[in-house]
Amino acid sequence: DAKTTQPTSMDCAEGRAANLPCNHSTISGNEYVYWYRQIHSQGPQYIIHGLKNNETNEMASLIITEDRKSSTLILPHATLRDTAVYYCIVQYGQNFVFGPGTRLSVLP
Amino acid sequence: DTAVSQTPKYLVTQMGNDKSIKCEQNLGHDTMYWYKQDSKKFLKIMFSYNNKELIINETVPNRFSPKSPDKAHLNLHINSLELGDSAVYFCASSQDWGPKGASEAFFGQGTRLTVV
Repeated sequence: DAKTTQPTSMDCAEGRAANLPCNHSTISGNEYVYWYRQIHSQGPQYIIHGLKNNETNEMASLIITEDRKSSTLILPHATLRDTAVYYCIVQYGQNFVFGPGTRLSVLP
Repeated sequence: DTAVSQTPKYLVTQMGNDKSIKCEQNLGHDTMYWYKQDSKKFLKIMFSYNNKELIINETVPNRFSPKSPDKAHLNLHINSLELGDSAVYFCASSQDWGPKGASEAFFGQGTRLTVV
């Protein structure tokens, strides 16, 4: 079973920042937080991951709370092409367990 | 130069048939996976495999079997297909779990299997 809870859906205006929350209150010390997204009819796409520190790459930023019980994925300037289901996964090892995710709709 | 490729993209077949889906990765990864995404869009892991270990999700029927001719390939064989097997199947790969810790997975574009 997935160890995370996420909102079922969210809307975001095009050009604005999209902030997607994730709760993982039972995360253990060696588990990483991963984010993936799945654009309609495509395979899941890796976005970012982190352990304790905040992370940033060309796609997004990941903010992890100090107690590591929750995190937020930030898409700084959402575009229509960012409309997708976003999955937050906590993971140690190689079997990625996906929950239902958050369906993000970026609106023009 | 697709990183993880699956064939075929679409597969329509009758109940009772045996079919295979092929997967190849050119990333040099050590571990490959098969996932099933059903009509409710839940992604569920079926297998993970490297040259050391096959890990099977216990909920997967034994009609499903992964076959790995080499490190770059992990094919999925399905015997005696049933209507409930209709789904999208995704192959993925990742680097081995190592001292650096996490390693992201790369997914193929999926194979839509329809059993009629």
